[in-house]
Amino acid sequence: KNEVEQSPQNLTAQEGEFITINCSYSVGISALHWLQQHPGGGIVSLFMLSSGKKKHGRLIATINIQEKHSSLHITASHPRDSAVYICAVRSRETSGSRLTFGEGTQLTVNP
Amino acid sequence: ETGVTQSPTHLIKTRGQQVTLRCSSQSGHNTVSWYQQALGQGPQFIFQYYREEENGRGNFPPRFSGLQFPNYSSELNVNALELDDSALYLCASSLDAGELFFGEGSRLTVL
Repeated sequence: KNEVEQSPQNLTAQEGEFITINCSYSVGISALHWLQQHPGGGIVSLFMLSSGKKKHGRLIATINIQEKHSSLHITASHPRDSAVYICAVRSRETSGSRLTFGEGTQLTVNP
Repeated sequence: ETGVTQSPTHLIKTRGQQVTLRCSSQSGHNTVSWYQQALGQGPQFIFQYYREEENGRGNFPPRFSGLQFPNYSSELNVNALELDDSALYLCASSLDAGELFFGEGSRLTVL
């Protein structure tokens, strides 16, 4: 079993729909990252969370430390949101920037 | 744009050859980490450097080595290339254990 599990693996939505991507992890963490990867490879950091909830534009990320679970929500989805969304955790047992990644969720938003 | 640049963007090598990939960190960042991402999978942690010292390593053999320079730029060297080394190699810089900024990656093909 991977230390970081994401669901769903693939998600197709219509423009305007509310989207949720889930991430569960099995280790104690100091931080959780949500990342976005477009075709071609470049990764953009969306959120870094250690507790609670963060919002940036149409994106919302929440984390429940006790349940070892995080969600990424996209409101009013748009075709430009189509990308791979990756959850990554920094274990409390490691220092610095070492991350363990989920396999990613491929999101396609159709117009 | 993250301010992290990687070179080269694409390269092709043959089995047994050696390769050096380069990463220029965002100004002011003292930590750099390297990741290998095979097609269709999440990134895997290779190693990280903090103030020119390696301070974490993933499950990669010694033929994967690196350097971080006083200006905090970094190199990833891979010796004795194998077919399975074909992947996207990503670097990410940060200030200590803060938010990560990724480069666009170097796509290596080993024939």
